[in-house]
Amino acid sequence: QQQVKQSPQSLIVQKGGISIINCAYENTAFDYFPWYQQFPGKGPALLIAIRPDVSEKKEGRFTISFNKSAKQFSLHIMDSQPGDSATYFCAASSYNNNDMRFGAGTRLTVKP
Amino acid sequence: DTEVTQTPKHLVMGMTNKKSLKCEQHMGHRAMYWYKQKAKKPPELMFVYSYEKLSINESVPSRFSPECPNSSLLNLHLHALQPEDSALYLCASSHQGANSPLHFGNGTRLTVT
Repeated sequence: QQQVKQSPQSLIVQKGGISIINCAYENTAFDYFPWYQQFPGKGPALLIAIRPDVSEKKEGRFTISFNKSAKQFSLHIMDSQPGDSATYFCAASSYNNNDMRFGAGTRLTVKP
Repeated sequence: DTEVTQTPKHLVMGMTNKKSLKCEQHMGHRAMYWYKQKAKKPPELMFVYSYEKLSINESVPSRFSPECPNSSLLNLHLHALQPEDSALYLCASSHQGANSPLHFGNGTRLTVT
């Protein structure tokens, strides 16, 4: 079922640093690419999402970069904070199917 | 608090028991989902309902039986589960089509003894 590959598995960043998480996909039918943030004991929550007609989307400290030709997208967290410590999942789905598929996840730890 | 409510939060059941997980949303979403999440793993799609009809079944064993009584409710009936079925079961909802984001509940932590 794993159609989206995510790296790294875990990431440790100092407070104020930049966190970068990468994802790649193969299915060219995918055309919606969200990122979800999950805290322990909670369900995943939408962080930011992009469609392939744009190469970058920024919301506050969070930016998605999208490379359609390479079938890759990444999440950048600027000025990382300890409160950002969570597991991050990239995901992908296609328009005609409610078939959201998740990457393996990245456990981010931001050290104070 | 999430807008998708799941009950119970925790459930312990024996392998011969029958139990049900419940999910409710009032956001007017017409697509509802069940995902299974094992520890330190991503959510895995189990079932999708679209306009109260089952549209995706990811080859889930028949001991899991979904039901969508109306557009706001989603149930997952459990029977004769195995210990390896212990996991966090997540319900989600979304608008139908147009690349709509999923809204997740906080899940039911299921332990099968």
